Amino acid sequence: IAGITQAPTSQILAAGRRMTLRCTQDMRHNAMYWYRQDLGLGLRLIHYSNTAGTTGKGEVPDGYSVSRANTDDFPLTLASAVPSQTSVYFCASSSGDDTGELFFGEGSRLTVL
Amino acid sequence: GQNIDQPTEMTATEGAIVQINCTYQTSGFNGLFWYQQHAGEAPTFLSYNVLDGLEEKGRFSSFLSRSKGYSYLLLKELQMKDSASYLCAVIGSNYQLIWGAGTKLIIKP
Repeated sequence: IAGITQAPTSQILAAGRRMTLRCTQDMRHNAMYWYRQDLGLGLRLIHYSNTAGTTGKGEVPDGYSVSRANTDDFPLTLASAVPSQTSVYFCASSSGDDTGELFFGEGSRLTVL
Repeated sequence: GQNIDQPTEMTATEGAIVQINCTYQTSGFNGLFWYQQHAGEAPTFLSYNVLDGLEEKGRFSSFLSRSKGYSYLLLKELQMKDSASYLCAVIGSNYQLIWGAGTKLIIKP
């Protein structure tokens, strides 16, 4: 089934630990995104990639890094997790068309203690 | 600054009609999306408007007025499964999406 796969679906993490959230899509979409979603706030863009080999910073990039070595994979890394990074993280992709809809993964719920 | 406003929560009755409003103030406009998000799940696409007017898709319709910075999502013949959050998002001048906080719709029998 085509779509976006995120892993893990849920994780509890000690503060200071390094964590990578994985995201893989099989739709051959050029653009990929990482969002965080917190109660009472809209989805906030962390990082994005318009095409393989390029990445850009979104609204809330601090404490996060990404890479885009190929079209399919777009991992998000927290180098040293802090409690304020407790959130639900969504990976998304689009065809890259200016009007392209976003397709979302099922989300990764991260708790940093 | 850029801002998207939606009501936080609305309640409606099964079988009725509900209108969820979205107002936006952005530095540019290149389209507006509505997404549905059930609790604990990912957002899914409902509609896209870039020109003024009404777009109808089954029980759901979306309206846009660019001059007023205003959109609404109209849900007809409400079903219990329509209980979800509805997210409004605007494509701004740099072609990045700006998201509203979402409207939680509660459907009562």
